[in-house]
Amino acid sequence: AQSVTQLDSHVSVSEGTPVLLRCNYSSSYSPSLFWYVQHPNKGLQLLLKYTSAATLVKGINGFEAEFKKSETSFHLTKPSAHMSDAAEYFCVVSGNNDMRFGAGTRLTVKP
Amino acid sequence: ETGVTQSPTHLIKTRGQQVTLRCSSQSGHNTVSWYQQALGQGPQFIFQYYREEENGRGNFPPRFSGLQFPNYSSELNVNALELDDSALYLCAVGAGGDNEKLFFGSGTQLSVL
Repeated sequence: AQSVTQLDSHVSVSEGTPVLLRCNYSSSYSPSLFWYVQHPNKGLQLLLKYTSAATLVKGINGFEAEFKKSETSFHLTKPSAHMSDAAEYFCVVSGNNDMRFGAGTRLTVKP
Repeated sequence: ETGVTQSPTHLIKTRGQQVTLRCSSQSGHNTVSWYQQALGQGPQFIFQYYREEENGRGNFPPRFSGLQFPNYSSELNVNALELDDSALYLCAVGAGGDNEKLFFGSGTQLSVL
């Protein structure tokens, strides 16, 4: 069995400030972990994925995430937020042909 | 553009009816999976098909069924629609494997009245 908990349903930051979206996971397997972004009226887009290689994963648009097995976490960060980053973000755990999404974190970026 | 096309984009049905949603991709990805995304929630995994056979299923009743065709297009069928089936239905294609990237379509918005 596996599950994902996104700790914040809504995060609001100012443009140019750091972004932190938190995710904890639970899995009976050696999980693969992903972050996806969903802009309004658009399909889900993969930001990055962890697949048991380097624990610090770099993704698109300046995002990165660190896999911490001891904390069962996979938090998403970005040093400086841009207005175009405003969207819904989903943390995902995958294993045994089963993909589980978190409930999502809505990121708001203020000018 | 992900190259994944879902049809129709919007659909309105009444309780008890049956619905078929469709998904196709430009490339020959051999896995397709379907997700239900209720308003304000994350997508929930319905099932996955690999080479025309179901090889993974989430916690959905048997009235949710699917097909994958030799050309890798896919259908999601839902019988005996209920009001709670109202949601965005997403299709995703990939090359297979738990660590493989998925390409998502924009979804079909189903409303059950």
